Amino acid sequence: QKEVEQNSGPLSVPEGAIASLNCTYSDRVSQSFFWYRQYSGKSPELIMSIYSNGDKEDGRFTAQLNKASQYVSLLIRDSQPSDSATYLCAANNFNKFYFGSGTKLNVKP
Amino acid sequence: NAGVTQTPKFQVLKTGQSMTLQCAQDMNHNSMYWYRQDPGMGLRLIYYSASEGTTDKGEVPNGYNVSRLNKREFSLRLESAAPSQTSVYFCASTDRAGLADTQYFGPGTRLTVL
Repeated sequence: QKEVEQNSGPLSVPEGAIASLNCTYSDRVSQSFFWYRQYSGKSPELIMSIYSNGDKEDGRFTAQLNKASQYVSLLIRDSQPSDSATYLCAANNFNKFYFGSGTKLNVKP
Repeated sequence: NAGVTQTPKFQVLKTGQSMTLQCAQDMNHNSMYWYRQDPGMGLRLIYYSASEGTTDKGEVPNGYNVSRLNKREFSLRLESAAPSQTSVYFCASTDRAGLADTQYFGPGTRLTVL
């Protein structure tokens, strides 16, 4: 099992809808969890980080962490066409970071 | 404040050639990382340096060497390039690899090995 796993998508949602992105992780990573957004041809940029069980909200974004189920999710409310990108889930274990393969999100106008 | 810079942006090599990818950060970060990104594979850690003077292998270190020249600079060397090393290479830095630390990424180097 890979340390971090994601569905590659694509996930298509209409503009204004809620996009839900999911990620599972293995026992080998357990410290902190991150969601990055990556536009085509660009480098990843951090959206959210979370390390405690529960929800963390920042504007239209909510990260959810469930350590018992080893599950991390990202909700994007009021999705916009500019949210169309690949979303990378990541986790770290001390100095090492592990990334999922990414989920491509398409927001249709 | 340029953040993380990488040179070159693009490079084409022939099989067996060598080259060094350069990375520098001006944020006074302790930890630096080299990743490669292949289509559908996400980012895979090649090598990292937790602090100046230390380097450690990541998931895919074979065929690569690194040097942490000083706190600012972390270079990646391909001694004998192979087509399997065709990829996009990202350098990143973080202040400390602890709880909820942010990794800042450079713009990437697109390498093609023929």
